[in-house]
Amino acid sequence: GAVVSQHPSRVICKSGTSVKIECRSLDFQATTMFWYRQFPKKSLMLMATSNEGSKATYEQGVEKDKFLINHASLTLSTLTVTSAHPEDSSFYICSARAEGTYGYTFGSGTRLTVV
Amino acid sequence: DQQVKQNSPSLSVQEGRISILNCDYTNSMFDYFLWYKKYPAEGPTFLISISSIKDKNEDGRFTVFLNKSAKHLSLHIVPSQPGDSAVYFCAASASTGKLIFGQGTTLQVKP
Repeated sequence: GAVVSQHPSRVICKSGTSVKIECRSLDFQATTMFWYRQFPKKSLMLMATSNEGSKATYEQGVEKDKFLINHASLTLSTLTVTSAHPEDSSFYICSARAEGTYGYTFGSGTRLTVV
Repeated sequence: DQQVKQNSPSLSVQEGRISILNCDYTNSMFDYFLWYKKYPAEGPTFLISISSIKDKNEDGRFTVFLNKSAKHLSLHIVPSQPGDSAVYFCAASASTGKLIFGQGTTLQVKP
């Protein structure tokens, strides 16, 4: 079946630094990738949608300059949290979908802790 | 604006009995619905889905029912097993392809 690999699974960084999270579709071409954020005991909140080769579409309230999303190839999307602050600490999850399908495959998530 | 709602934050059932998880939505443009199971610090795992042209889809112990007029769907797990204990999210999608998730329901199946 479709597999999405997300790395790192866990990262701790200092305030003010930037962190990059990678999301790779291993056995299919992901024309669309989605990035979610989950706060403790809350739902998965969609942050942005990225299509290969084009700019990401951000949801209302998500700072595009803070959460940089790049979808340079059909198998890789990256989320960079720039100038991280403790309030950015969260669980980030990516999802990938092949064109013309409703098959959403999720990565295993990244626990970001900003100290 | 919560377009997908799971009004029960938790549910506890006895092993072997039926678990029924409910989900309501407000956006009539949603045409595809999915249920996911999630453990802490892991990504969601797909369970079962249903298209808006159907009212029922069954896969083993899992059955999803869709009532479009009521904008309501439910997931039935029969029989429930202790390994089913997890957080269950319903999600809905429209033509944009974005998945909108409910808040989740924590299911506990007691032996």
